[in-house]
Amino acid sequence: GQQVMQIPQYQHVQEGEDFTTYCNSSTTLSNIQWYKQRPGGHPVFLIQLVKSGEVKKQKRLTFQFGEAKKNSSLHITATQTTDVGTYFCTDSNYQLIWGAGTKLIIKP
Amino acid sequence: NAGVMQNPRHLVRRRGQEARLRCSPMKGHSHVYWYRQLPEEGLKFMVYLQKENIIDESGMPKERFSAEFPKEGPSILRIQQVVRGDSAAYFCASSPYVESYGYTFGSGTRLTVV
Repeated sequence: GQQVMQIPQYQHVQEGEDFTTYCNSSTTLSNIQWYKQRPGGHPVFLIQLVKSGEVKKQKRLTFQFGEAKKNSSLHITATQTTDVGTYFCTDSNYQLIWGAGTKLIIKP
Repeated sequence: NAGVMQNPRHLVRRRGQEARLRCSPMKGHSHVYWYRQLPEEGLKFMVYLQKENIIDESGMPKERFSAEFPKEGPSILRIQQVVRGDSAAYFCASSPYVESYGYTFGSGTRLTVV
C-alpha cells in the first residue's frame, strides 16, 4: 500500500535557525497537504499543493512539491518559539495517509 | 461559528468498560471522519461517515469498535470492552465535500484505559 515517509523524525534548532522537513511517497500523489500539530493539540491545516514543481510561501514557511509529485518539503526560515510542533505531510484523500511527522524542537 | 466540537476532551475508562466519543461537525459539513493517533505517530484513518451512512470503515477494527452519524445529533465513536491498547487520542474531522482543500479537526478526545 501507499506509504509516506518523513525525515528527519526530530530536528533540534536554535531559535533563529532554519528548519526543513522532507516528505517522500512511495506512489505519485494527486495533491499533498501539510499540517502542524502543537504538543497536546490537534492537527491544523497549513496548505495544499497540487501542481508538479509548485512552490508556495506563507510568511516564513516555504512549501515545495516535487516535479514527479512523489516528494515535498517544508522550509521554515528563522524559526521562532511559535513554530514548535510536529509537521505532517499527507495525501489529500480523506484516508490521509500520514507520515510520522517531523518534530521541531527549539533548543533552550 | 463553532469549529468541529469533540467531547469529552479526556476520558478515563477501566478495562472492559465502554467508551463513547462524540463529534459535532462544523455547520454545513455533512462528511465526518474519525482518526486515531498513538504517541509520536501520525494519524490513522478509522471511518468516514455521512448522515445516517457509513461510507468507509476500512480503518476500523472489526470488533469492539462502531461508529454512527445519526440524522440528528453528533457522530459517535463507540469502543466496547476497552483494552489498554485502545489508549490513544481520537480526532474527528469534518468537511463540506469528500475531497476537501484541507480538513478541519476537532480538539480530540484523549482516551486512557487503566
